[in-house]
Amino acid sequence: KNQVEQSPQSLIILEGKNCTLQCNYTVSPFSNLRWYKQDTGRGPVSLTIMTFSENTKSNGRYTATLDADTKQSSLHITASQLSDSASYICVVSATKKIIFGKGTRLHILP
Amino acid sequence: DAGITQSPRHKVTETGTPVTLRCHQTENHRYMYWYRQDPGHGLRLIHYSYGVKDTDKGEVSDGYSVSRSKTEDFLLTLESATSSQTSVYFCAISETSGVHEQYFGPGTRLTVT
Repeated sequence: KNQVEQSPQSLIILEGKNCTLQCNYTVSPFSNLRWYKQDTGRGPVSLTIMTFSENTKSNGRYTATLDADTKQSSLHITASQLSDSASYICVVSATKKIIFGKGTRLHILP
Repeated sequence: DAGITQSPRHKVTETGTPVTLRCHQTENHRYMYWYRQDPGHGLRLIHYSYGVKDTDKGEVSDGYSVSRSKTEDFLLTLESATSSQTSVYFCAISETSGVHEQYFGPGTRLTVT
């Protein structure tokens, strides 16, 4: 069964600290993996897209990694800011199918 | 929101009434999608369109219909709204169905009482 599991469900960290969010998937055949940021009351916005051959991609303070062998991805946020408070959604695409994870809710405290 | 608008942004309706949500894009993207987002679930695909008058079902299509008569507009209709259709609905667009990214609209919050 095609599934995308994210952990933790929620996370609270202090402003300025780093954090890492996890995504495990069983989607096959794999096409690409995306990380989205969703602010409260808004639509998701893409952070990174990675295909099978890419194992790291950065977007400012956001760095995503992909291990296609173990079917795991992580999103690392460096020097967190209050504006990073949001839900982060992992999305895996297969042929004619897009599977969304349930997201990790990140709270940044001042 | 990448040239995507959704209307209305909020709606409250009664069980059994028909409801139509509109998605409008100015990007001339071929693919358009309707998703619903509920607590405890990831975004779930309702229907999608791969061109004018070309649509297909997603994983939660029961109780919903769609139409696309122009490239820029994709309509989602609840023929007879039920309380289980209370949700936040997102429209998305993409150039292709593959590696190209999906851009999401701002969402419509629908409450069925």
